[in-house]
Amino acid sequence: GENVEQHPSTLSVQEGDSAVIKCTYSDSASNYFPWYKQELGKGPQLIIDIRSNVGEKKDQRIAVTLNKTAKHFSLHITETQPEDSAVYFCAAPFTGTASKLTFGTGTRLQVTL
Amino acid sequence: KAGVTQTPRYLIKTRGQQVTLSCSPISGHRSVSWYQQTPGQGLQFLFEYFSETQRNKGNFPGRFSGRQFSNSRSEMNVSTLELGDSALYLCASSPGTGLDQPQHFGDGTRLSIL
Repeated sequence: GENVEQHPSTLSVQEGDSAVIKCTYSDSASNYFPWYKQELGKGPQLIIDIRSNVGEKKDQRIAVTLNKTAKHFSLHITETQPEDSAVYFCAAPFTGTASKLTFGTGTRLQVTL
Repeated sequence: KAGVTQTPRYLIKTRGQQVTLSCSPISGHRSVSWYQQTPGQGLQFLFEYFSETQRNKGNFPGRFSGRQFSNSRSEMNVSTLELGDSALYLCASSPGTGLDQPQHFGDGTRLSIL
């Protein structure tokens, strides 16, 4: 069935270091891959997304890469700051199913001083 | 531009009661989707509405229902509440109903069942 695996579940980095979160998906027809950041008491915030016709997209300190052959995509955060601490979710749509988006299980990122 | 607005932010109910949650999408967005978020199951899709019609439905019992109004505002209703319905209920809006349409979430309604 539809599945999005996300790793790691927790990630601790020092301020200024880079953080990488990886996701794999099962439906080769999926063509849109968003990333969300969820802070305590808030809803998920869309921070970046990528479509299957590109391999990489960058927005300031965050970037997403996509490997359609291997069916995985990754979020890269450079020069991490304390305000980057949050739970990050990847997601993918699965064609032919009812679900609008299937989410990964989340990565809790902690940026320490 | 105002974001997605969900009301109320918090609700406490008892088993057997019913509850209605409200969602106002971003202006111009016509698709509204609802998700349930729990620590054990994560984010799970409930249903999507577009042009006042339910387009998709997730794997939830019939106690969970929804509707959309002509101004794209949406409500979801849960009847005969169970303890396991305690969760954060999130609404997301997007311009259209395509699978590649960016979805923007509200801050949710935290529902607690006693």
